Amino acid sequence: AQSVTQPDARVTVSEGVSLQLRCKYSYSGTPYLFWYVQYPRQGLQLLLKYYSGDPVVQGVNGFEAEFSKSNSSFHLRKASVHWSDSAVYFCVLSGNYGSSGNKLIFGIGTLLSVKP
Amino acid sequence: GGIITQTPKFLIGQEGQKLTLKCQQNFNHDTMYWYRQDSGKGLRLIYYSITENDLQKGDLSEGYDASREKKSSFSLTVTSAQKNEMAVFLCASSPGTISYEQYFGPGTRLTVL
Repeated sequence: AQSVTQPDARVTVSEGVSLQLRCKYSYSGTPYLFWYVQYPRQGLQLLLKYYSGDPVVQGVNGFEAEFSKSNSSFHLRKASVHWSDSAVYFCVLSGNYGSSGNKLIFGIGTLLSVKP
Repeated sequence: GGIITQTPKFLIGQEGQKLTLKCQQNFNHDTMYWYRQDSGKGLRLIYYSITENDLQKGDLSEGYDASREKKSSFSLTVTSAQKNEMAVFLCASSPGTISYEQYFGPGTRLTVL
């Protein structure tokens, strides 16, 4: 079955430290992967995407993610977090699901709290 | 760039009431989506539409109807609101149905009394 697992429901860090938010996926084919961010009372905004090629992809606001086929992972990283990065981060999988059509599969999200 | 607008931002209804949520996009995207977001459960797909007048059921379509009368708009109807229901409904659009990122609206927050 296709799925996305974000093992950390909540992460709290201090401003200026490095950050990694974990994401594992389950998919038999070649996955297309995204990270979205949701600020309070707003919709989701695309941070970055991976379709193919270089496994490290750069996104907005200094975020990057690394795809690993062997580990079935797509972890999100940032070298130095800012208090304004506090939000919910969703790891998302897209692929061809045959008779079920094509759709996005969302993880449950990781709530990031950055202490000033 | 473009934008997705959702109306209303907040919707309060009574049990059993039929409620309609509206979504407009000016990206000129072909595909539009409705998701339900519950706390701690991520997003679940209710309906999507790949073109004007097309409707496809998602994982959570029971209890909902949808309508895509124009390329730019996609409406969702809660056919009979359930008491104590509280969720955020997010509309999204994308240029295609496979492996394209989706762009989201700000959401409609539903409360049923």
